[in-house]
Amino acid sequence: EAGVTQFPSHSVIEKGQTVTLRCDPISGHDNLYWYRRVMGKEIKFLLHFVKESKQDESGMPNNRFLAERTGGTYSTLKVQPAELEDSGVYFCASSPRGMFNSPLHFGNGTRLTVT
Amino acid sequence: GQQVMQIPQYQHVQEGEDFTTYCNSSTTLSNIQWYKQRPGGHPVFLIQLVKSGEVKKQKRLTFQFGEAKKNSSLHITATQTTDVGTYFCAGRETSGSRLTFGEGTQLTVNP
Repeated sequence: EAGVTQFPSHSVIEKGQTVTLRCDPISGHDNLYWYRRVMGKEIKFLLHFVKESKQDESGMPNNRFLAERTGGTYSTLKVQPAELEDSGVYFCASSPRGMFNSPLHFGNGTRLTVT
Repeated sequence: GQQVMQIPQYQHVQEGEDFTTYCNSSTTLSNIQWYKQRPGGHPVFLIQLVKSGEVKKQKRLTFQFGEAKKNSSLHITATQTTDVGTYFCAGRETSGSRLTFGEGTQLTVNP
């Protein structure tokens, strides 16, 4: 079984530019989560998809962040325009349908650096 | 909103020493999970605790869930270099709600 994959693994962009992160969850996992870890801080919740629907997006910091999951398969997270404080590691995680208390399977993350 | 706090933030031990990390929630939890992230890696699930006062063991690792379901601990006996990494606790207020992570405890083990 392939794990959660994220692309790119690293991204360095300038303030004001746009970046799009991609996450491919484990096949068949309806629950998809985005988290972010700023250096030394907690892994902070951003949002949760159930299939293509946003179940909880209360963790999204502001309207510069847009997450989509068209077709309920892979997901993208776009940051536009990027600010310095957006730097961090963005993790995607997935879990099976209906199993809201099951463990999360994390991808390797995308390390975003905004200069 | 719910907050999950972990202490210590960093812990350096000699190989063979014991290690404990503590997790405290600002609210009562439905369940708590523990994850380990190796350097350069991603968080990997270790265990889930659900019942008040629950204790679970995985070889040298012992996990506890407090009676009030607001705190938890992870204890490693006789650490090894393979235990190096950051240990995160993550709690849910209610079944199915978001998983809120603590800041993690970064463990280094000197051989």
